[in-house]
Amino acid sequence: QAVLTQPSSLSASPGASASLTCTLSGGINIVTYRIYWYQQKPGGPPHYLLRYRSDSDKQQGSGVPSRFSGSKDVSANAGILLISGLQSEDEAVYFCMIWHSRTWVFGGGTKLTVL
Amino acid sequence: QITLKESGPTMVKPTQTLTLTCIPSGILITTSGVVVGWIRQPPGEALEWLALIYWDGDTGYSSLKSRLTIVRDISTNQVVLRMTDMDPADTATYYCVQGMYGDSVANWGQGIMVTVSS
Repeated sequence: QAVLTQPSSLSASPGASASLTCTLSGGINIVTYRIYWYQQKPGGPPHYLLRYRSDSDKQQGSGVPSRFSGSKDVSANAGILLISGLQSEDEAVYFCMIWHSRTWVFGGGTKLTVL
Repeated sequence: QITLKESGPTMVKPTQTLTLTCIPSGILITTSGVVVGWIRQPPGEALEWLALIYWDGDTGYSSLKSRLTIVRDISTNQVVLRMTDMDPADTATYYCVQGMYGDSVANWGQGIMVTVSS
């Protein structure tokens, strides 16, 4: 069974970069999976940011700034969302997701605080 | 533009059955590759996928399978979720979502907050 684990919280300063991890467990290799990232602010549904499988298979969501990018740490079996040039408006909860066994599997989310 | 609209009760009593309806606009639920599903989120907590229905009528359920039923009405392009034996722990925002098979959850409804309380 696929499980995605995310740190519950992360803090970073305005202008800095934040690296959010999403670790896949359950005996599944992350290499072949597309990792999807969502941003959720209070009171609303998640908003699609991007997907990343490899540098040749990636997609930025419509209107999503290029300072949001995806990557993988294959050795850690993890997907990574990198946010550069942090702004106060980036403060939100970030969820990762994969499509596995004909279903959607979500991580528990990371609350990013920009202070 | 694809939109999803959820409707149903905002409060149910423990042991009752919750019935939620989703009406997608801008897409037919029978279009090849279309997947419509339900995801819930308790206040301040993570997203939890519940159930989905594929364009061909096949279905998939989470570990709550014994309490869930997802059905569709092709004539009205609607998807209905039923959840039995509701408990206060089921208090959450319930989202209707849509994606394509093998891909992301591309579209989300605004969600409906359901409170379970006597």
